[in-house]
Amino acid sequence: KAGVTQTPRYLIKTRGQQVTLSCSPISGHRSVSWYQQTPGQGLQFLFEYFSETQRNKGNFPGRFSGRQFSNSRSEMNVSTLELGDSALYLCASSSMGGDNEKLFFGSGTQLSVL
Amino acid sequence: GQNIDQPTEMTATEGAIVQINCTYQTSGFNGLFWYQQHAGEAPTFLSYNVLDGLEEKGRFSSFLSRSKGYSYLLLKELQMKDSASYLCAVRAHNNAGNMLTFGGGTRLMVKP
Repeated sequence: KAGVTQTPRYLIKTRGQQVTLSCSPISGHRSVSWYQQTPGQGLQFLFEYFSETQRNKGNFPGRFSGRQFSNSRSEMNVSTLELGDSALYLCASSSMGGDNEKLFFGSGTQLSVL
Repeated sequence: GQNIDQPTEMTATEGAIVQINCTYQTSGFNGLFWYQQHAGEAPTFLSYNVLDGLEEKGRFSSFLSRSKGYSYLLLKELQMKDSASYLCAVRAHNNAGNMLTFGGGTRLMVKP
């Protein structure tokens, strides 16, 4: 089975721009969650989608949004980029998002905001 | 809210044993995960504990004490490839699905 695929791998943007990141979960997985990883804050939860519906949302401003398509692929969008948005954005998938299910992470998109 | 603490860095010698601690404060605890992350790579699952006790899986073991809000990851017979960051993450009952709260990670350096 192919793993979680994230594109692009690297991205450079300037302040004020917007960006869209893509995530393809493992085949058959219906839950996709997004995390932001920075050296200072570690991994922080952004949101989770299950069957095209947002099931959980972390404490991030409304500039961060996402969606999930019927094939379980997910995108996240960040509008009006700020320097502090520079981070590694990780996508993770699991089958149903059940209590003891482990997350399978993609390699992430490294976003640099200049 | 939830609070998870783990040491920032640890150093150990090849062939030795190292224990990485994680303490947490959360309401409605519903499971603790350990992940390994090599630099520039995706985090990979190591272990899951929801009941008190020790879970052993090859060279890696994970322990949980819910009453103390404490877990540790034990790595035996250390190898150079074990140099990585180790992430402790907690799930709470009031968070359906995959909303995990992660600690800052412990960067382990294994020396010859």
